[in-house]
Amino acid sequence: SYELTQPPSVSVAPGKTARLTCGGNDIGTKSVHWYQRRPGQAPVQVISFDIDRPAGIPERFSGSNSGNTATLTITRVEAGDEADYYCQVWDSDSGRVIFGGGTRLTVL
Amino acid sequence: EVQLVESGGGLVHRGGSLRLSCAASGFTFRSFAMGWVRQAPGKGLEWVSSISTETLRTDYADSVKGRFSISRDNSKNILFLQLSSLRADDSAEYFCVRDTIGGSRSFDSWGQGTRVTVSS
Repeated sequence: SYELTQPPSVSVAPGKTARLTCGGNDIGTKSVHWYQRRPGQAPVQVISFDIDRPAGIPERFSGSNSGNTATLTITRVEAGDEADYYCQVWDSDSGRVIFGGGTRLTVL
Repeated sequence: EVQLVESGGGLVHRGGSLRLSCAASGFTFRSFAMGWVRQAPGKGLEWVSSISTETLRTDYADSVKGRFSISRDNSKNILFLQLSSLRADDSAEYFCVRDTIGGSRSFDSWGQGTRVTVSS
């Protein structure tokens, strides 16, 4: 079955750039979606279809997807960006939705 | 404004049943595929089930197939998840999610969640 691999944690200083990766076999051929879950809040979609930013999501958030790795990039990181981030794909043949294990972003 | 409000969670004994509901508003419910995603304490997000607009297609995670059933009432704008034969590892916060138009399993709206606790 298809699996997505995310590093458990990433730390970054305020104002710097965070790059969160999501690995999967030929993930570049799939559409990847990213979600942010802050403590005590419901998840929020921050990137859809590899690169699209939903309304209300800051331009500091961007996505890319190629080969075996998709990446969520957050520029000018702020304290409020501290959260768990999850990547997700859909295997349309099986109907299954797959989430990565999540990356905890810590702002130093 | 899209609103998804879950209800029906609670404490249930192992082997028991529970029905979760999700009241939707702020959009044309019948035009969107819907689903459920859960998160167990200390764990990551796990997709549970999805349903197409007219219930022509339902999909389930292997971990719940045969025990959970998803349905919808388009006349009342409500999504359901029937949980049966509950196990301890079904304890989680269950989120109702809206799929993007066209049903590409991109979840653009989430409810606040309802907690299910299965006791042994």
